[in-house]
Amino acid sequence: NAGVTQTPKFQVLKTGQSMTLQCAQDMNHEYMSWYRQDPGMGLRLIHYSVGAGITDQGEVPNGYNVSRSTTEDFPLRLLSAAPSQTSVYFCASSYGAGVNEQYFGPGTRLTVT
Amino acid sequence: GEDVEQSLFLSVREGDSSVINCTYTDSSSTYLYWYKQEPGAGLQLLTYIFSNMDMKQDQRLTVLLNKKDKHLSLRIADTQTGDSAIYFCAEMFGGATNKLIFGTGTLLAVQP
Repeated sequence: NAGVTQTPKFQVLKTGQSMTLQCAQDMNHEYMSWYRQDPGMGLRLIHYSVGAGITDQGEVPNGYNVSRSTTEDFPLRLLSAAPSQTSVYFCASSYGAGVNEQYFGPGTRLTVT
Repeated sequence: GEDVEQSLFLSVREGDSSVINCTYTDSSSTYLYWYKQEPGAGLQLLTYIFSNMDMKQDQRLTVLLNKKDKHLSLRIADTQTGDSAIYFCAEMFGGATNKLIFGTGTLLAVQP
C-alpha cells in the first residue's frame, strides 16, 4: 500500500491564481480530511469528508473547496490564492470515527507571493 | 470554542525523562491523542487514551489524564536523540466524526 499520497510536494503561486492540491489513499478509508499547519498554531482542520459524496467544513474553510467523488481521492481547491494561505497542507484518512488512527500524507508546502 | 494548548519547547539530555504537557477545553472529548512529527514529515500517531482512563503505558511512553483539570501529559522514559521531534496533543471533537483539534505542538530537543 502507498498509504496517503499528496501532490505536489512544493508549490509557489501568485496572488489570485487557483490550484488543486491532490490527495489519494489506497486503504479504502471512509474518512478523509485536510489540515493546514502554521508556525505556533498546530494543525487546523479545513474540510473533511465521512464518505464519498459527503463533505463538511472544519475550523478554517474559507478560500478552499473540496469534493469527494470517489473513496480514494479528496482534492483541495484554492479558488483565488492569497498570501495568508501560505502554509503546509496535510491530508489524512482513517477508517471512520472514534479511536481509528488517522494516517497523514507527507504534506504540500505552498507559498503564495 | 475549542482550544488545546502546549508549551512550545522542551530541551532534555539523552537518557533523561521528558514530560510534555497539554491542556484542552472540551470536557466531552472521548479520545485524546499524542502525535509525533519528525522534520519534513507528516504526523504519526504515538498513542491515545480513552477519556475514562487515568493512565496508559506503552513501552517508554506513559500518558496521564486528569479530566478534572483537563490536563494531559506524555512522559518519554530514557529519551533518545531519535525522539527529537514536534509532539502534538489532540482531542477528538464532534462525537461521531473524527474531527481532531490539535495543540500548537511542543518541540522536543534531545541533547547528546
